[in-house]
Amino acid sequence: GDSVTQMEGPVTLSEEAFLTINCTYTATGYPSLFWYVQYPGEGLQLLLKATKADDKGSNKGFEATYRKETTSFHLEKGSVQVSDSAVYFCALLFSGGYNKLIFGAGTRLAVHP
Amino acid sequence: GAVVSQHPSWVICKSGTSVKIECRSLDFQATTMFWYRQFPKQSLMLMATSNEGSKATYEQGVEKDKFLINHASLTLSTLTVTSAHPEDSSFYICSARVPSGGGREQYFGPGTRLTVT
Repeated sequence: GDSVTQMEGPVTLSEEAFLTINCTYTATGYPSLFWYVQYPGEGLQLLLKATKADDKGSNKGFEATYRKETTSFHLEKGSVQVSDSAVYFCALLFSGGYNKLIFGAGTRLAVHP
Repeated sequence: GAVVSQHPSWVICKSGTSVKIECRSLDFQATTMFWYRQFPKQSLMLMATSNEGSKATYEQGVEKDKFLINHASLTLSTLTVTSAHPEDSSFYICSARVPSGGGREQYFGPGTRLTVT
């Protein structure tokens, strides 16, 4: 079945460091891919998305490119801030049925000054 | 746009009682809403898909008689945890799908933390 695999956390970085959070997926067909962010004590917020191969989603300095050949959707940011500390979830939109989202396990990011 | 609210944001109840959680789409009509459960430091687990005017579709392993879902209108879905027990303590999150033509992404509520004592 469809699934999402994320790199395990926590990821600890200093402010202004480069961030990569790996995400790979297994899916039948051509799913849409998403990154969601969950700040402490809050619900999930959509960070960015890509709906087809080679699409690049971007928002708030974060980017991810839909790579069909490697079935990946890695999240990157060139210079992280303390305010980026959160849990990041990679997700794919299930190809059939009621648009069911399948989430990865989540990666906790902690950014220190 | 695309704001989803949940009420209450947190609730404490005694074992054996029932508690209702509301999920509302504030600025759009949602024919489909989803209910998730999130355990501490873990990912979201889809519990059920709620469609306006019809019965919810539950994921495998989720007790439909324990987690009652009602999607009575295009802007409101409710989750009732019946005869709650301490193991039901969790963070419950709903999401709503933007109607067709608005993309297929889901917008999430802020979540409800349930503690059963």
